[in-house]
Amino acid sequence: QSVLNQPPSASGTPGQTVTISCSGSSSNIGINTVNWYQQLPGTAPKLLIYSDNQRPSGVPDRFSGSKSGTSASLAISGLQSEDEADYYCATWDDSLNGVFGGGTKLTVL
Amino acid sequence: EVQLVQSGAEVKKAGESLKISCRGSGYDFPGYWIGWVRQMPGKGLEWMGIVFPRNSDTRYSPSFQGQVTISADKSISTAYLQWSSLEASDTAMYYCARVRGHQLAQNWFDPWGQGTLVTVSS
Repeated sequence: QSVLNQPPSASGTPGQTVTISCSGSSSNIGINTVNWYQQLPGTAPKLLIYSDNQRPSGVPDRFSGSKSGTSASLAISGLQSEDEADYYCATWDDSLNGVFGGGTKLTVL
Repeated sequence: EVQLVQSGAEVKKAGESLKISCRGSGYDFPGYWIGWVRQMPGKGLEWMGIVFPRNSDTRYSPSFQGQVTISADKSISTAYLQWSSLEASDTAMYYCARVRGHQLAQNWFDPWGQGTLVTVSS
């Protein structure tokens, strides 16, 4: 059981907008910033969003992050087939140090 | 270009010891924390711990404290993850990653190494 709760799966059709949630608590998301990672099949994870809503260079603006209270969200607009991957939220927990969500498998129908 | 290159796949027996490595290049290696992340077969990412090469300060997840040792040798820009006695349940892919951010509570991993697959037979 992960400290950060994500839905195990999400899906959408090409062109749609999909949102993935990440629920935490006052000892993690409530006081620290959230990051998102994308893991394509058979590859190492890659940074997608950092500091709640910042995109690294090279990440399309179709990906956006937000946070409110003890929850965060990743939105993917204009869904494409190459977005099919596992997505993980992560943050710092004041008791546990670093923590990841359980991951969400995104399927593009 | 910032790069992290990990050592190759390992096949070991339960009870054996193991040390895997992660070599950084293209940046001031001593000045950035390096972290380790476990991914068991078909499962999600687990934060194991981090090391600051400049002074060897370490932070562990409570789940991994005492189970592994994280260290670094700044003279050769290399971080390590080691086990004194492997178990079959240690079978997993292990990733290293550089920590970014001005303080640990506001940090993120970027970039990541390619991963080291550790297989432990009982």
